[in-house]
Amino acid sequence: EAGVAQSPRYKIIEKRQSVAFWCNPISGHATLYWYQQILGQGPKLLIQFQNNGVVDDSQLPKDRFSAERLKGVDSTLKIQPAKLEDSAVYLCASSPTNTDTQYFGPGTRLTVL
Amino acid sequence: GQQLNQSPQSMFIQEGEDVSMNCTSSSIFNTWLWYKQDPGEGPVLLIALYKAGELTSNGRLTAQFGITRKDSFLNISASIPSDVGIYFCAGPSMTTDSWGKLQFGAGTQVVVTP
Repeated sequence: EAGVAQSPRYKIIEKRQSVAFWCNPISGHATLYWYQQILGQGPKLLIQFQNNGVVDDSQLPKDRFSAERLKGVDSTLKIQPAKLEDSAVYLCASSPTNTDTQYFGPGTRLTVL
Repeated sequence: GQQLNQSPQSMFIQEGEDVSMNCTSSSIFNTWLWYKQDPGEGPVLLIALYKAGELTSNGRLTAQFGITRKDSFLNISASIPSDVGIYFCAGPSMTTDSWGKLQFGAGTQVVVTP
């Protein structure tokens, strides 16, 4: 069974530029999550989707971050404009419906200069 | 709000030694998850615990769900070099009704020396 796919794996941008990350969850997983992991910390949830609907985006900085999962499968996370403090690893995870066990992708390491 | 405290923050051990780390919470959890993260990779699920007192093994790994439901520990027996990495505990937030809103500890960094 294929795992969670993410791209790109690495991205370097200058502050005020925009960037987008893509995630394809495990086939059949209705729930998709985006996390931000700052160096030395555990992942922090940004947004949770159930199919194509947002379940929780309370931790998403909505002035600059946006995410969508239009067809209920793959998802994109966008940052516009990026700030220096957005430098982090952005992890995507998925899980079957009504379970807490989540499976993570390899992440995208973002560096904002 | 809830906090997950992991200890120790890091440990340096010799190959063949046993390792123990734990995680405590300020409130009750219904599920405890243990993940391992290798450099440049996403966290990989090691063990999931769903019931107070539950003891579950996965190869050389053993994890227990504390009776108080506010703590969990992870043991690694006979460590080998590939055990190097950061181990995270995680559990679902009790502040919402939705599944899956996990909180993570800050991690325990394990370094294994030959």
